[in-house]
Amino acid sequence: DADVTQTPRNRITKTGKRIMLECSQTKGHDRMYWYRQDPGLGLRLIYYSFDVKDINKGEISDGYSVSRQAQAKFSLSLESAIPNQTALYFCATSLFGNTEAFFGQGTRLTVV
Amino acid sequence: KQEVTQIPAALSVPEGENLVLNCSFTDSAIYNLQWFRQDPGKGLTSLLLIQSSQREQTSGRLNASLDKSSGRSTLYIAASQPGDSATYLCAVSSGGYNKLIFGAGTRLAVHP
Repeated sequence: DADVTQTPRNRITKTGKRIMLECSQTKGHDRMYWYRQDPGLGLRLIYYSFDVKDINKGEISDGYSVSRQAQAKFSLSLESAIPNQTALYFCATSLFGNTEAFFGQGTRLTVV
Repeated sequence: KQEVTQIPAALSVPEGENLVLNCSFTDSAIYNLQWFRQDPGKGLTSLLLIQSSQREQTSGRLNASLDKSSGRSTLYIAASQPGDSATYLCAVSSGGYNKLIFGAGTRLAVHP
């Protein structure tokens, strides 16, 4: 089983719909992150969290919200999806300090 | 603002060649640099992590170097194989909290 699991793996949704992407980890890491990847571009940070009481905006947080339900779970929500949010979304984890980051397998989201 | 650039964007080589992938960053104040491999549908796999105080790291046929003062890192792949075909991403941790800033990647194809 993967250490960082994202669900769903693929999702097609309509403009204006609310959608939630989920991430769970078994690595015991305190830090969790959501990134977005667009074709031909590197990953960009949406939100990050250091524990259940700590949520921080990243570079491109507009149109997104997150919830850290437990140390092992971090969800990303699109309140009202729009076509330019079509992208590949990745969840990542790391330990405190300047340590290695581990990524999930990604969720491919298409907004039509 | 930290920016990460990877050259070349794409590379096609015959099996057995030694090759070098390049990564450059604009702000030398980094905590670490990480190289990832991205396979379609399989997310990101961490290859090597170099802390800011280190000059290089090695794992099997892979060797990554870091020259922080010049803002450069290279990933050396020895004796390339078709299984090495993937997109290779470079990311720097800059600004604290292990937030990663990614390059757009180098797409590598190794043909038999």
